[in-house]
Amino acid sequence: TQLLEQSPQFLSIQEGENLTVYCNSSSVFSSLQWYRQEPGEGPVLLVTVVTGGEVKKLKRLTFQFGDARKDSSLHITAAQTGDTGLYLCAVPPIQGAQKLVFGQGTRLTINP
Amino acid sequence: DAGVIQSPRHEVTEMGQEVTLRCKPISGHNSLFWYRQTMMRGLELLIYFNNNVPIDDSGMPEDRFSAKMPNASFSTLKIQPSEPRDSAVYFCASRLTGGSTDTQYFGPGTRLTVL
Repeated sequence: TQLLEQSPQFLSIQEGENLTVYCNSSSVFSSLQWYRQEPGEGPVLLVTVVTGGEVKKLKRLTFQFGDARKDSSLHITAAQTGDTGLYLCAVPPIQGAQKLVFGQGTRLTINP
Repeated sequence: DAGVIQSPRHEVTEMGQEVTLRCKPISGHNSLFWYRQTMMRGLELLIYFNNNVPIDDSGMPEDRFSAKMPNASFSTLKIQPSEPRDSAVYFCASRLTGGSTDTQYFGPGTRLTVL
């Protein structure tokens, strides 16, 4: 059983469209991170959310942490080909833990 | 500033051979993490160090895997003997634990193929 379930696993859309990907769990977390991984590279941190209901924006990307701190969403407005990549969510399995547990990721392809 | 450096970037070896992966963390970082990524299992933590001391190795799959951090600027992950199921991309990441952020910085990875 995965601690984090990400959906969809794969998503392919046209440039200019909007999309939302999800990271869900039955557990409560003190914080949640989103990473983007491009082919041939390591994951890069996009954002950390820590407060239930928190919304953070990073240009065209909007991240939301669920009120109960069990889930999160990532919304991309007007997707661009440069948004293509693997989007991973990650959590510390217990509060204060230094290690992270990652979801399986959503592989996003933006077609020109 | 240089990021996390890993070598080699690609390794192809035959079953039974010893494989050593290398990592140089970002200067000043005091935590180092080794991960393995496969399509089936995703990104999994193998082991992490704080101040060169192994803290949690519960993710190390078998005794064939070992990791060392002899000093703050170098770590190795060794597989002996290697098996085809060890084929994966291995990432090293470092972080400044106790700093103002909790960001882990990943290296570019080593793609290991065991034939």
